[in-house]
Formats: sequence, C-alpha cells, structure tokens
Amino acid sequence: QVQLQESGPGLVKPSETLSLICNVSGGPVRTSYYYWGWSRQSPGKAPEWIGTIFYTGKTYYNPSLKSRATITIDTSKNQFSLRLNSVNAADTAVYFCARHHPFGSGSYGWVDPWGPGNRVTVST
Amino acid sequence: DIQMTQSPSSLSASVGDSINIACRASERIGTFLNWYRQKPGKAPELLIYAASTLQTGVSSRFSGSGSETDFTLTINNLQPEDFATYFCQHYSYTFGPGTKVDIK
Repeated sequence: QVQLQESGPGLVKPSETLSLICNVSGGPVRTSYYYWGWSRQSPGKAPEWIGTIFYTGKTYYNPSLKSRATITIDTSKNQFSLRLNSVNAADTAVYFCARHHPFGSGSYGWVDPWGPGNRVTVST
Repeated sequence: DIQMTQSPSSLSASVGDSINIACRASERIGTFLNWYRQKPGKAPELLIYAASTLQTGVSSRFSGSGSETDFTLTINNLQPEDFATYFCQHYSYTFGPGTKVDIK
C-alpha cells in the first residue's frame, strides 16, 4: 500500500523559503487516478489545504497563500515537493503530504493516506 | 466560499458509548463531505467519504449520514483509540474546526 514521508528542515528563518519533499513508496506518483498534495496544521487548528498536483504537473493552490506556494513533481524519483517563500511566524505548522482522490473531472475529493507530518518552525 | 461548522466543539464519553458529531455546510453541497479522525500527534485518517461511504479498513462502528447542509458522524461502542479529534471536510478541502472527544 502507498506510504508517504515528508522530509525537510524543522526551522526556517523569517522571509526565507521553506522547502519540503514528499517521498512516495508502494505506488507510482505517475498515475491518472490520483492527485498529490500538501496541507498544514497549526496547533489546535484544523488542517489547511495548500495545494495539489497531478503527474502532468498541473497544479491547484489555495488562494489564501497569495501565490507564495509552488508544488512540483518528479516522477523519476517518485516524489513531489513544496516550496513556500517569504515565510513568517504564521507559517509555523506541521506540514503533511498526502494522496488526493479526485471526484469527477476536478482535483477536489478526499485525502488518503497522509504522511506522518514534518513540523516546521519559523523563527530567528 | 463554503464554510464548515461542527458541533459540539468537544464532548466527554465513556468506552462503549455511542456518540454523534454534527457538521453543517454554509451552502448545499450534496454528499460532497468527508470525515477524518486525528489522534494526538498523528496525521488525520480518512473514515468516511461521500457522506456515508466507509473507507476500506475502517471499523463498522463508524457511520456517516446526511446531505446538502447537515451531516452526522456516528460512532458506536467507543473504543480507547476513538478518543481523538474529528474533522469534517468538504471536497474543496475546506475543513470544519473539529470536535474533540475525550474520556469522561
């Protein structure tokens, strides 16, 4: 079965770029059945969707991030990545990668499975 | 944008109890509604999708119902692993604020 694992730094300085990688095992990212995505969760809050990507490179983003997020995919390495630029304290959260199950022709649907999460703190 | 609310925000229950968690959408969404359980320090786990379809491998103690604006997650015979936080989610990846279930 598919498993996902996030990797990246646990501490990022304000105004810098947060970079995370999600390694996928047990199945290919190059599939027409699923999207791949990133979410984050601040303590005591609900998860917040950041964006999703199809194996072709087509992306969808949460408008609230004001174009700071970029998601890319590398089918040769079976992984996808998140970059979030100009970070500030409000970007401190646990970042999750996950497989997204689309409904119909769009990218929306449900999320399963999730990676265990990568805690990121934005601080000097 | 669609907004999701949940009630109650928290509840206390005992092992073996049955509980209901409500989720309300700000506009009609058909059955485009999912439920997740999140144990402390862990990632969310999908329980129910399309309002009432049990995800493969999830216990039949969980069930979902509802459509359009009002939805319910029912958990029967609460087990120790069910003391967690539950989120509803619209297909647009908008989550409700969560309902924390703790031990009475």
